[in-house]
Amino acid sequence: RKEVEQDPGPFNVPEGATVAFNCTYSNSASQSFFWYRQDCRKEPKLLMSVYSSGNEDGRFTAQLNRASQYISLLIRDSKLSDSATYLCVVNKGGSYIPTFGRGTSLIVHP
Amino acid sequence: EAGVTQFPSHSVIEKGQTVTLRCDPISGHDNLYWYRRVMGKEIKFLLHFVKESKQDESGMPNNRFLAERTGGTYSTLKVQPAELEDSGVYFCASSPVGGPYGYTFGSGTRLTVV
Repeated sequence: RKEVEQDPGPFNVPEGATVAFNCTYSNSASQSFFWYRQDCRKEPKLLMSVYSSGNEDGRFTAQLNRASQYISLLIRDSKLSDSATYLCVVNKGGSYIPTFGRGTSLIVHP
Repeated sequence: EAGVTQFPSHSVIEKGQTVTLRCDPISGHDNLYWYRRVMGKEIKFLLHFVKESKQDESGMPNNRFLAERTGGTYSTLKVQPAELEDSGVYFCASSPVGGPYGYTFGSGTRLTVV
């Protein structure tokens, strides 16, 4: 089993749609969780950290379920500019070394 | 504030040659990481520096890869001799001490070994 698993997609949605991505992790000792966004041929950029209580940043909501070992990202009112690959990142338990998922591709169309 | 800078942005070399990649982290960031993304695969951790010390190099593929961070500032990653399977995008990231914080990535070096 991979340390961090994501559905690669692509998720193809119309503008204005709500879309959700899930990510599962295998190390129950993992402490820190992030969502990154990566545009084609660009570097990953931090989208948001994921906190135990869940957190929201504008149209983006992140949730953490420690019992089931998954995190989620919800995007409301999708924009064309949201088209990108979304990377789930989990820190190894006991360290700050991040482990990346393969990413979920999102395509928002008019 | 300047971001993480990587040089070169692209490199095409022949199998058996040597290539050195450079990363300049954000000033004051003690943590420096090297990653690699091979086409179609996830981003893989290579190693982690705290200042000039190698904290974790468990991701280094083999002894053809040598990373240094003299003086705790910029870092270099040398591949010698390069093999075809070394092709990919090499990212560097940095973060402040403590944390965990999100990491700031450089734009990467696209290495092609032919």
